[in-house]
Amino acid sequence: EPEVTQTPSHQVTQMGQEVILRCVPISNHLYFYWYRQILGQKVEFLVSFYNNEISEKSEIFDDQFSVERPDGSNFTLKIRSTKLEDSAMYFCASSATGGTEAFFGQGTRLTVV
Amino acid sequence: GQNIDQPTEMTATEGAIVQINCTYQTSGFNGLFWYQQHAGEAPTFLSYNVLDGLEEKGRFSSFLSRSKGYSYLLLKELQMKDSASYLCAVNDGEGFKTIFGAGTRLFVKA
Repeated sequence: EPEVTQTPSHQVTQMGQEVILRCVPISNHLYFYWYRQILGQKVEFLVSFYNNEISEKSEIFDDQFSVERPDGSNFTLKIRSTKLEDSAMYFCASSATGGTEAFFGQGTRLTVV
Repeated sequence: GQNIDQPTEMTATEGAIVQINCTYQTSGFNGLFWYQQHAGEAPTFLSYNVLDGLEEKGRFSSFLSRSKGYSYLLLKELQMKDSASYLCAVNDGEGFKTIFGAGTRLFVKA
């Protein structure tokens, strides 16, 4: 069964450092998303991406965040200068059509110390 | 503003039926989703409603009333493995943005 894969599963970084979270969406999907979930809180939308550009982003997705599809398979989330409050589980998701059933990856747990 | 409300916790007995309600107020609407999330894991898709009415999928059914901003997820023949959080989420129609509720933690007891 096709699945969304994310690497690494866990990343620890020092405050102020840059991190790149990687995702390989399902191969025939065209719409990609990043969400985050702070421990014990709800899943929060960060950004949606289609046709090599951002479709929508939330107020959380400020200038410190960027996304990229560097090749035909990877989809990355970069945080330029991490803060303690960026510690969360980050989920990548993809869907065949926009705004419909999304398949989530297993997540990257980011810990900023 | 954008708001999705669902009960924080529910408890039900194995073999029983449980209904988890969700009300929403969003700037737009392009479909409502239910996801299941076990602790420490990713959400997994359960159902999608974009038109009013009931969608049935095995032991799970989901209902939508757009005029009332209301949905419910019905789980039948509960099993212990159904103990999880159930997330109601709405696509608000803007750039495929999906807003999640805080989730309902369901405890299934023997």
